[in-house]
Amino acid sequence: KQEVTQIPAALSVPEGENLVLNCSFTDSAIYNLQWFRQDPGKGLTSLLLIQSSQREQTSGRLNASLDKSSGRSTLYIAASQPGDSATYLCAVRTSNAGNNRKLIWGLGTSLAVNP
Amino acid sequence: NAGVTQTPKFRVLKTGQSMTLLCAQDMNHEYMYWYRQDPGMGLRLIHYSVGEGTTAKGEVPDGYNVSRLKKQNFLLGLESAAPSQTSVYFCASRDWVQETQYFGPGTRLLVL
Repeated sequence: KQEVTQIPAALSVPEGENLVLNCSFTDSAIYNLQWFRQDPGKGLTSLLLIQSSQREQTSGRLNASLDKSSGRSTLYIAASQPGDSATYLCAVRTSNAGNNRKLIWGLGTSLAVNP
Repeated sequence: NAGVTQTPKFRVLKTGQSMTLLCAQDMNHEYMYWYRQDPGMGLRLIHYSVGEGTTAKGEVPDGYNVSRLKKQNFLLGLESAAPSQTSVYFCASRDWVQETQYFGPGTRLLVL
């Protein structure tokens, strides 16, 4: 059974720091991995999606990597800003066929970037 | 485009009451989902739909029913609300090709 773990659960950093959020999964047979952002009281916004055949994806100051063999993904945030404060969730889509592909969610890392 | 919208934003129910949560998307997406989010439990899939007129059970379907009569709408019903259904409910949608899910802003439900 696929399980997704995100460590740490909470992180507080000063503005300007580069930081790494971690996501680990137990079954390396995945279809893709996604990173989402959730602001307090709001819905989720997709940040990056990495297909199983890819090693990394970049969007602005964000870079997500994927190492299937070790069951790990990292989200790198460069030059962090107070506006980056949010909860970041990792989700793995299983590699079952067609409509049986499930999205398995981590509990998230709550990030606070202090001015 | 409004994206994914949810109605209502907040609701208080008494145990045993019924209600329907409405999700609407204007992106012509085939797939739609209903999740609940609880502290320490993460997001859990309640029901989903792979197209108009179809529905399927997710991880925690008991106590909920859904309908997808129109492609753009996905309704989640609670026939007899219980305090255990106090949660934040999120709707999401995606199309056939893209794997990215687009989420609504959520509905906060309190069952007393």
